[in-house]
Order: sequence, then C-alpha cells, then structure tokens
Amino acid sequence: EIVLTQSPGTLSLSPGERATLSCRASQSVSSSYLAWYQQKPGQAPRLLIYGASSRATGIPDRFSGSGSGTDFTLTISRLEPEDFAVYYCQQYGSPFGPGTKVDIK
Amino acid sequence: QVQLVQSGAEVKKPGASVKVSCKASGYTFTSYDINWVRQATGQGLEWMGWMNPNSGNTGYAQKFQGRVTMTRNTSISTAYMELSSLRSEDTAVYYCAREDTGLGMDVWGQGTTVTVSS
Repeated sequence: EIVLTQSPGTLSLSPGERATLSCRASQSVSSSYLAWYQQKPGQAPRLLIYGASSRATGIPDRFSGSGSGTDFTLTISRLEPEDFAVYYCQQYGSPFGPGTKVDIK
Repeated sequence: QVQLVQSGAEVKKPGASVKVSCKASGYTFTSYDINWVRQATGQGLEWMGWMNPNSGNTGYAQKFQGRVTMTRNTSISTAYMELSSLRSEDTAVYYCAREDTGLGMDVWGQGTTVTVSS
C-alpha cells in the first residue's frame, strides 16, 4: 500500500501570498491518479486537482498541481480568504496523506 | 442535480456492526466507483475502500480488511458500507464519494455520524 506524506504540517501565510504544498509517495506512483482535496471545518472535502495537474470543474486557476514519480506539489498562486483550509493528497485506491493546514498568519 | 444522500446518524455499542447507505441520483449509478472515507473529530481523512457498482468489485484499505464490506443495490442506485466489530475508535463521520476511476472523488455525500459507545 502506498504511503503519502505531506509537508509542511501547517503553513502560516497572509492573503495574497503564494502557498506551496508538498506530497511525497513511498514509491513511484502514476501521476494520472494523484488528486488534491480541500476541506474546510464542518464540510465534506472538495476535489481540486486530479491527474496531478488537471483542475476539477469550477476550481479557480490560482490552484495548480504538478509533479511526477514520488514528488507532487499543489500551488496556490495568491491566497484568497476562502483558501485557508486543510489540503490532502491521495493516490487512487490508497490512503490519503495526513494533510497540510494553511492558516492565516 | 448530481448528489449522494446518506443515511442518518447511528449509535452503536462496542462489538456491534453498522451499515451506512449512500443513495445516488442525477447520474448513472453504475458508471462511477463509490469510495468510502471516514474522519474522526479533529483528525484527517481516512480512505476505507472502493466499490465498482457495475461489477460489484471492491478494494479495501489494509487497515479495514476483514472488517468492512461494501455492497450495492443497482435497482435503487444505492451503495452500502458495513463495518463490523465496532470499537470506540470507529467513532467518526463516514462519507461516500463517487469517482470516475482514477479521476478523483468529485461528488460527496453529506456524511453520516457513527458513534460507538457503551
């Protein structure tokens, strides 16, 4: 079973700043099956990125994904107030990473 | 509209089983996998497994193998997740989510709270 690790655990930034979140797999994975999710308190997760770099329907273009092999990155180019949340990566058919919390500095 | 509607909250005693349902509407039920994900209060997302409603094929996370069963009734577009031998650590919100194989979970149910307490 693939194990995903995410870093940092918490990212403290201000609105307008750039956020860079990392997801690392315990073995090489297919980038076609790497997804990123956003979750806010009391809500179900929301799909942001699938196939490592494709934005899901309705996701703003300030969100972008990249990477291959074992290293993947989610970038939020300019943080909006509604982007402060927890972000998870997941490889299809495997457990989620532990998450990165993006909070307001 | 596309939606997944889950059954209501459950309270169970340790050692019992729970069966949560997830009714799909607004799309062809057999065209998308159904995943089950749970989340304990203040904790991260825990993927439990997936089921292909067309074939009935399933894949379970190692942690839950032997204790979880995912089934479906295609005539009523409903998926089920049954977890047995419940313990207090199983107290969580359980979500179902649809996935076009490998393309991410794009529609989620509202969540079902399962409480395990003596």
